[in-house]
Amino acid sequence: AQSVTQLGSHVSVSEGALVLLRCNYSSSVPPYLFWYVQYPNQGLQLLLKYTSAATLVKGINGFEAEFKKSETSFHLTKPSAHMSDAAEYFCAVSAFSGTYKYIFGTGTRLKVLA
Amino acid sequence: DVKVTQSSRYLVKRTGEKVFLECVQDMDHENMFWYRQDPGLGLRLIYFSYDVKMKEKGDIPEGYSVSREKKERFSLILESASTNQTSMYLCASRRDEQFFGPGTRLTVL
Repeated sequence: AQSVTQLGSHVSVSEGALVLLRCNYSSSVPPYLFWYVQYPNQGLQLLLKYTSAATLVKGINGFEAEFKKSETSFHLTKPSAHMSDAAEYFCAVSAFSGTYKYIFGTGTRLKVLA
Repeated sequence: DVKVTQSSRYLVKRTGEKVFLECVQDMDHENMFWYRQDPGLGLRLIYFSYDVKMKEKGDIPEGYSVSREKKERFSLILESASTNQTSMYLCASRRDEQFFGPGTRLTVL
């Protein structure tokens, strides 16, 4: 069985500050992990993915995430927030098993303060 | 670029109506998915399909059915729409990662 927990449904940061969005997962098999971003009234767009290669994954728009097996975490970071980063972010876990299903977290809405 | 399109961005229907939501992908993906998204609940899987005419129930299939007659098209059907089906509906297709359509915001009055 798999699950994802995103800590903090709302996060506010100042423009230029570090962005840290937390994701913890549970998986009985080696996981594939993803971060998606959703802008208002749009679908989800892939930011980055972990598929058992490098544990530090770089994505689009300056975001990166580190897979830490010992902590079962896959936190998303960006060194310097920009106003355009304001959006909702979803962490997801999948296993390369028969169903190919994703389990999504409940999302974290990021607000960037000027 | 992978493209996933959904037939409508906004839809308003009345209780009891039959509703069709269409999704088309252009990358020859075998796997396609229908989710609904509600505030505070994230994305919940309604149905998915791993091949033409093949489907599996997701976590919340009640009140929904699906059809996949061609590889590129995956339809979600609300047989008799109810107000608690007012939601954002997202379609996705997958090879390694899932690619999402823009969503259909359905309101049932």
